[in-house]
Amino acid sequence: QSALTQPPSVSGSPGQSVTISCIGTSSDVGSYNRVSWYQQPPGTAPKLIIYEVSNRPSGVPDRFSGSKSGNTASLIISGLQAEDEADYYCSSFTSSRTLVFGGGTKLTVL
Amino acid sequence: QVQLQESGPGLVKPSQTLSLTCTVSGGSISNGSYCWNWIRQPAGKGLEWIGRIYASGSTNYNPSLKSRVTILVDTSKNQFSLNLKSVTAADTAVYYCARGVGLGYWGQGTLVTVSS
Repeated sequence: QSALTQPPSVSGSPGQSVTISCIGTSSDVGSYNRVSWYQQPPGTAPKLIIYEVSNRPSGVPDRFSGSKSGNTASLIISGLQAEDEADYYCSSFTSSRTLVFGGGTKLTVL
Repeated sequence: QVQLQESGPGLVKPSQTLSLTCTVSGGSISNGSYCWNWIRQPAGKGLEWIGRIYASGSTNYNPSLKSRVTILVDTSKNQFSLNLKSVTAADTAVYYCARGVGLGYWGQGTLVTVSS
């Protein structure tokens, strides 16, 4: 299985919005609403911030939102804060009943 | 609050078998609503899904690792385990366990180094 495609890095200034894309195929992102997003600050375990494309777990700020169109999922972070600086990963359920991750995106808050 | 904790040797010799256990607290591993996953992350690199198991014992594995991986569940101990055989230096990574298809709860991770 091939990894989902994410941009290696994105950046934005405090208060701005950034979007991280996650490109899959019709065998994963395009066929299932089981797309999740994770935030991983340096030296810590990943934390789930979006599940099933657009749902936020309890405690995750509503500045984080998700969407999907065709084979591409997106994570949108609005009102950027310094604490949002981290690596972000997407994942998707696949037609083989496996899970595939994106390569990760490093978010820099300028 | 569900908590997961990985445990096992931090150093494994090449060609040997890497064995890790994930202990679940704050919830029963027998809850059929969830699956239990292993994920790994080499230093400075991205996440790689290894596989999952359900309380029934049903498993799914990453095709690239399937020939070397076995995941088992012990409901009496509320644990599940990972065995990865014939390891090489490329298997050196932080190994995480996590709950659910959406990986809602994660352990803190444990570093396993493959070296002689």
